[in-house]
Amino acid sequence: AQTVTQSQPEMSVQEAETVTLSCTYDTSESDYYLFWYKQPPSRQMILVIRQEAYKQQNATENRFSVNFQKAAKSFSLKISDSQLGDAAMYFCAYRNYGGATNKLIFGTGTLLAVQP
Amino acid sequence: DVKVTQSSRYLVKRTGEKVFLECVQDMDHENMFWYRQDPGLGLRLIYFSYDVKMKEKGDIPEGYSVSREKKERFSLILESASTNQTSMYLCASSFSPDSSGNTIYFGEGSWLTVV
Repeated sequence: AQTVTQSQPEMSVQEAETVTLSCTYDTSESDYYLFWYKQPPSRQMILVIRQEAYKQQNATENRFSVNFQKAAKSFSLKISDSQLGDAAMYFCAYRNYGGATNKLIFGTGTLLAVQP
Repeated sequence: DVKVTQSSRYLVKRTGEKVFLECVQDMDHENMFWYRQDPGLGLRLIYFSYDVKMKEKGDIPEGYSVSREKKERFSLILESASTNQTSMYLCASSFSPDSSGNTIYFGEGSWLTVV
């Protein structure tokens, strides 16, 4: 069975600085997707970024980028120029490629605080 | 915009009560999911459905059942609520996956307290 591990329960960053959130996963599959979701205090889960395992290039969305190391099964999220609105719980998630459904497997989350 | 609506944000129920959590999506998604979120445990899948009247158990189905009579609606049922079911419940939906990996959309969550 696939598992996702986030070893940092809490992180803190100064406004305008850069922070990296860690995620490792375990799977025997070669094709899959990895995601970072953000859950602000309002509780609405929002997709931040997505990475396809077959792509070697790391995904980037504005200030958010990932470092995807397939051999090491590592998928970290880097937030550049941190803003107060980035404060939230961040979840790393995994999904198998293909199949009838696309259920996500989540890590335990990292609570990010942004200090002004 | 995709909208996944959970009818109740906050509920307080008594032990032994039957509880219904309702979820409606407006994007004609085939797949719908119920997750439970607890501190330190992340999100755990309770049940999911890939079509009307179809359902499959997730990782923690014990004590729960689901109903999907219409494509847009997916209900989570606690037949006899217990205090260990006090939690945040998140509904989600998506199209059936294709090679591009469809996005899963979440509702705002339902806080359930069982006393």
